[in-house]
Amino acid sequence: GAVVSQHPSRVICKSGTSVKIECRSLDFQATTMFWYRQFPKQSLMLMATSNEGSKATYEQGVEKDKFLINHASLTLSTLTVTSAHPEDSSFYICSARDEGPDNGGNTIYFGEGSWLTVV
Amino acid sequence: GDSVTQMEGPVTLSEEAFLTINCTYTATGYPSLFWYVQYPGEGLQLLLKATKADDKGSNKGFEATYRKETTSFHLEKGSVQVSDSAVYFCALRRGAQKLVFGQGTRLTINP
Repeated sequence: GAVVSQHPSRVICKSGTSVKIECRSLDFQATTMFWYRQFPKQSLMLMATSNEGSKATYEQGVEKDKFLINHASLTLSTLTVTSAHPEDSSFYICSARDEGPDNGGNTIYFGEGSWLTVV
Repeated sequence: GDSVTQMEGPVTLSEEAFLTINCTYTATGYPSLFWYVQYPGEGLQLLLKATKADDKGSNKGFEATYRKETTSFHLEKGSVQVSDSAVYFCALRRGAQKLVFGQGTRLTINP
């Protein structure tokens, strides 16, 4: 079945540096991908919708200059956390929408998630 | 706006017990409803879904029925196993719109 892969699964970075997380759809093309953030023992918060070839759509309260999203191809979206701070430490999950005719209709698949720790 | 409300956890049961996790929603129109499961340290996996009223989604012994009259999509399993320990999220989606998640319910099954 369709698979969405995230990389890295775990990353530790120093405060003030930037870190990039990749989200790939492995066997389907995704014009739309979604980035979520999950705080410990809490639900998923949608950060932004990533659109291939155009600017991402950010949810209210999410700093677009801090969380840079690039969706340069139909199989890859990246989230870059710029000038990271300890409060950015979290679990980041991406998902991708398979709009193909054989997928049962707009099925969304999730990546495995990426743990970011800023020290 | 659209919203999903799940029963608060954590829920702790013994193996082979009956499970119900309540989920109700608020949405305009006719959303699709989903249950996702998140095992420790992992991303989300789709557990089951239902796309219209009275549909029953089922997978791995879990079931949920789309009840429009009560705006509910409760998750049930007749006999839980230790391996079912995870966090369960109820979610809805209208058309191609984004998924809206409930707050999640942590389930722990003791042997």
